[in-house]
Amino acid sequence: KNEVEQSPQNLTAQEGEFITINCSYSVGISALHWLQQHPGGGIVSLFMLSSGKKKHGRLIATINIQEKHSSLHITASHPRDSAVYICAVGGSQGNLIFGKGTKLSVKP
Amino acid sequence: EAGVTQSPTHLIKTRGQQATLRCSPISGHTSVYWYQQALGLGLQFLLWYDEGEERNRGNFPPRFSGRQFPNYSSELNVNALELEDSALYLCASSVGLASTNERFFGPGTRLTVL
Repeated sequence: KNEVEQSPQNLTAQEGEFITINCSYSVGISALHWLQQHPGGGIVSLFMLSSGKKKHGRLIATINIQEKHSSLHITASHPRDSAVYICAVGGSQGNLIFGKGTKLSVKP
Repeated sequence: EAGVTQSPTHLIKTRGQQATLRCSPISGHTSVYWYQQALGLGLQFLLWYDEGEERNRGNFPPRFSGRQFPNYSSELNVNALELEDSALYLCASSVGLASTNERFFGPGTRLTVL
């Protein structure tokens, strides 16, 4: 079993839909990261969480430390949100353990 | 403010050769991280440097090595290249040692081993 599990693996949505991507982890962490990777390969850091909830524009990330679970929500989805979303958990030694990613496709 | 930069963008080598990849962190960032993203395998942690020292390394053989220079830029060296080393190599930087510092990623170097 992977230490970081994401679901779903693939997600297709219509423009305007509310989207949720889930991440569960089995290790102790210092922080959880949500990353966005576009087809060219570049990665953008969306959020880093150690507790609670963060919001940036149409993106919301939550984390439940007790349940070892985090969610990434996208409100009013748009085709430009199409990308791979990656959950990663960080320990105290600088390493990140990555989920396999969720490929999101938003259709106009 | 300039982001994390990596060079070259693409690198083609043959099996057995050595590859050198370079990373310049954001100004003021002292930590540099290297990750490998091989096709179908997802991202994996390779190396972490801070203040010129290797702080941690992932589960990779010793032929993956690197260093961090006094200006905090970093090199990743891969010796005796194997076909399975073909991957996107990503560098990230952060301020200082704290594991709760946000990582900023570079655009990556795509290494192809023939």
